[in-house]
Amino acid sequence: DAKTTQPTSMDCAEGRAANLPCNHSTISGNEYVYWYRQIHSQGPQYIIHGLKNNETNEMASLIITEDRKSSTLILPHATLRDTAVYYCIAPSGGSQGNLIFGKGTKLSVKP
Amino acid sequence: SAVISQKPSRDICQRGTSLTIQCQVDSQVTMMFWYRQQPGQSLTLIATANQGSEATYESGFVIDKFPISRPNLTFSTLTVSNMSPEDSSIYLCSASQGYSGRRLGTQYFGPGTRLLVL
Repeated sequence: DAKTTQPTSMDCAEGRAANLPCNHSTISGNEYVYWYRQIHSQGPQYIIHGLKNNETNEMASLIITEDRKSSTLILPHATLRDTAVYYCIAPSGGSQGNLIFGKGTKLSVKP
Repeated sequence: SAVISQKPSRDICQRGTSLTIQCQVDSQVTMMFWYRQQPGQSLTLIATANQGSEATYESGFVIDKFPISRPNLTFSTLTVSNMSPEDSSIYLCSASQGYSGRRLGTQYFGPGTRLLVL
């Protein structure tokens, strides 16, 4: 798995866009970038994943740089319910599902 | 997507006893996994539950301590054996529709089982 680096914590005002960065400079060509989040006392929730093109779904957008060494998860209109720990993961293409969860970014959305 | 349920949701156990945690998926899935999340820590993969064969354990986890069953494509159990206070954790089950690549990385998690060992 590629090592990922995320800020420990971030704050965001309610209604504003939350932009969560992730560095994955050792990522290889076949490794996807996944984002999960874990709201307090719940199991992790899959958000989005991408390889090299930007992706968008009903939860978020994922922007991956052209060199694929970093990415940004965007929550376009953060709400208080988006307060959670966000994990950026890049499992190796041959892995058997070993999602290595680092410490993630603790996002606090404030009113 | 898949909806995962776990039983029990929480339990308090005495040291030396064993607890079996059940994981039920609302649809057939190819892969199921068991994770542990110790207090204040991130998730660690314990093992992959293989249907019809023995589970594949990660480094630091052994079958005698964490026996796993997967009798079909929608159900798995994890047993925490001969428990000690160090086993106090949240145990989470996840499921995936893939065997490799991007589908394998898309996993759906249960709510977790909160275990306290006294």
